[in-house]
Amino acid sequence: AQSVTQLDSQVPVFEEAPVELRCNYSSSVSVYLFWYVQYPNQGLQLLLKYLSGSTLVKGINGFEAEFNKSQTSFHLRKPSVHISDTAEYFCAVSEDTGGFKTIFGAGTRLFVKA
Amino acid sequence: NAGVTQTPKFQVLKTGQSMTLQCAQDMNHNSMYWYRQDPGMGLRLIYYSASEGTTDKGEVPNGYNVSRLNKREFSLRLESAAPSQTSVYFCASSDRTGGSKTQYFGPGTRLLVL
Repeated sequence: AQSVTQLDSQVPVFEEAPVELRCNYSSSVSVYLFWYVQYPNQGLQLLLKYLSGSTLVKGINGFEAEFNKSQTSFHLRKPSVHISDTAEYFCAVSEDTGGFKTIFGAGTRLFVKA
Repeated sequence: NAGVTQTPKFQVLKTGQSMTLQCAQDMNHNSMYWYRQDPGMGLRLIYYSASEGTTDKGEVPNGYNVSRLNKREFSLRLESAAPSQTSVYFCASSDRTGGSKTQYFGPGTRLLVL
């Protein structure tokens, strides 16, 4: 069965600094990987996803993530954060078996300080 | 397009009371999902509906029932609410089930059971 571990529950960072949010997954088959963002009092929305092909995936709002199969990781990065990036970020994994199930990580709260 | 809508936004119940959470989507999606979000646990799937007329249990179905009323609407019912069901509930939809599919989330219902 697949699982997802987000290694940091909270990440405080100053505005305009770079940030990396870490995600590791476990699965015995090929996977699809997602990052979702949840702004305060809102539902989740997709930031980016890896299905196949290039391991570097670019998403909305200047975020990107790199799929590393050997490390079973899918870390999210942004070179320069803004106050408006303050939100909770969820890594998620689905198995490439035709099934429905998406497993979400516990979330990382990114707090951008002025 | 409104996307995925949920009602109510907030509800307080007493132990043993019942209620139905409503969800509707206007994206002509086939698949719909109910999740609960608890601190430090990410999102956990309660029930899903792969297509109109079908429903299946997810990871944490106990204490809940669902109805896929038509293609647009998917409701979640708590027959006898318990304090352990205090949570934020999210409805989501996707055009089909399948691991590669992006899910689109509603704004959530905050439920407090006293």
